[in-house]
Amino acid sequence: DGGITQSPKYLFRKEGQNVTLSCEQNLNHDAMYWYRQDPGQGLRLIYYSQIVNDFQKGDIAEGYSVSREKKESFPLTVTSAQKNPTAFYLCASRDGSGLEQYFGPGTRLTVT
Amino acid sequence: QKEVEQNSGPLSVPEGAIASLNCTYSDRVSQSFFWYRQYSGKSPELIMSIYSNGDKEDGRFTAQLNKASQYVSLLIRDSQPSDSATYLCAVNIVDSGAGSYQLTFGKGTKLSVIP
Repeated sequence: DGGITQSPKYLFRKEGQNVTLSCEQNLNHDAMYWYRQDPGQGLRLIYYSQIVNDFQKGDIAEGYSVSREKKESFPLTVTSAQKNPTAFYLCASRDGSGLEQYFGPGTRLTVT
Repeated sequence: QKEVEQNSGPLSVPEGAIASLNCTYSDRVSQSFFWYRQYSGKSPELIMSIYSNGDKEDGRFTAQLNKASQYVSLLIRDSQPSDSATYLCAVNIVDSGAGSYQLTFGKGTKLSVIP
């Protein structure tokens, strides 16, 4: 089964802790993206990567970090510097020759 | 600042009617346009993409693009209760300098199909 997986589905953390969200794809897509979605809001781009070992900041990168050591994997770390980390986090990927982005199931992070 | 505007709704239509969802965008050089469907608590699912002016049909869905008016719409014919969801409009601009392909999303229109 080809697709994008994100784990875990729900994540709970205490304020001040760093947390890493997993995103894996077996679609052989070159580009990968991280978005966050808040209630009643559109998706906002956090980071994206078009090739291995390279990534770019999106519109709201502050308080987040990423790595792209393998084509299949693009983990996102939410650091303690992120002021409002509670949100629905979505990972997406895109084939290098296409324009459509496809989303994983998402991780809902709650920080208290 | 690239912007994508959608009426937040809710838009309520009776079962079997045509639902019309609208989206305007601010960046004249936008090239590609997408409609995603998002059920409550789930991730967005791509349902339509359109790249040139005019209509594109796929089953009960028709996307319409008018670049001169910076307007893209989605029509859903014979609406079903299972179409009840939030529909997100997304607009792509190729950043020729960085070679990137980014999407800017609207906040979505919530559609409710009444049986």
